Amino acid sequence: ETGVTQSPTHLIKTRGQQVTLRCSSQSGHNTVSWYQQALGQGPQFIFQYYREEENGRGNFPPRFSGLQFPNYSSELNVNALELDDSALYLCASSLAGGSSYEQYFGPGTRLTVT
Amino acid sequence: GQNIDQPTEMTATEGAIVQINCTYQTSGFNGLFWYQQHAGEAPTFLSYNVLDGLEEKGRFSSFLSRSKGYSYLLLKELQMKDSASYLCAVRDNTNAGKSTFGDGTTLTVKP
Repeated sequence: ETGVTQSPTHLIKTRGQQVTLRCSSQSGHNTVSWYQQALGQGPQFIFQYYREEENGRGNFPPRFSGLQFPNYSSELNVNALELDDSALYLCASSLAGGSSYEQYFGPGTRLTVT
Repeated sequence: GQNIDQPTEMTATEGAIVQINCTYQTSGFNGLFWYQQHAGEAPTFLSYNVLDGLEEKGRFSSFLSRSKGYSYLLLKELQMKDSASYLCAVRDNTNAGKSTFGDGTTLTVKP
């Protein structure tokens, strides 16, 4: 069974730039959720993708967008980066409609915006 | 929406027992998770409660009271490696179950 992987591990960007983060879901999982975790806080839900469609969104502006591909991997794109976007970005995969309730987190991408 | 409260910090002694509380207000409930997160790492699953009562798994136990909007995580025989942040998260009742997290309780285990 392949676990959730994310790339890159760390990233430094300048304010105003754009960034793409990638996530490969666990084998057999069809749903990917993205979370932003600022230092000292819990993960905040950004959005979720199921069967290549956005399936729910948290309180994040439109400059946060995503994609899910036929193999269920996913991308998170952030445009016009702001200093407050500096955080750990986590993706989590799960199986919608399955009996398992768990979601498995990837190791995260640490984004620093300067 | 969801609102989750848990203490910010706790300290306990190696070998002791500690209880971390979590209260929540929710518009759609489909279970409560506890995760452990070491600094700089991703959250790892500890427990899931969807019915009232106590779930025991080794040194860790988790309790849920849906009528009170209350849960706790009980850690027994504390070890130094248990020093971490413990996150309470409520799963909503959508198909794939999005989770809303509290800000976590940082537990420090001292010798």
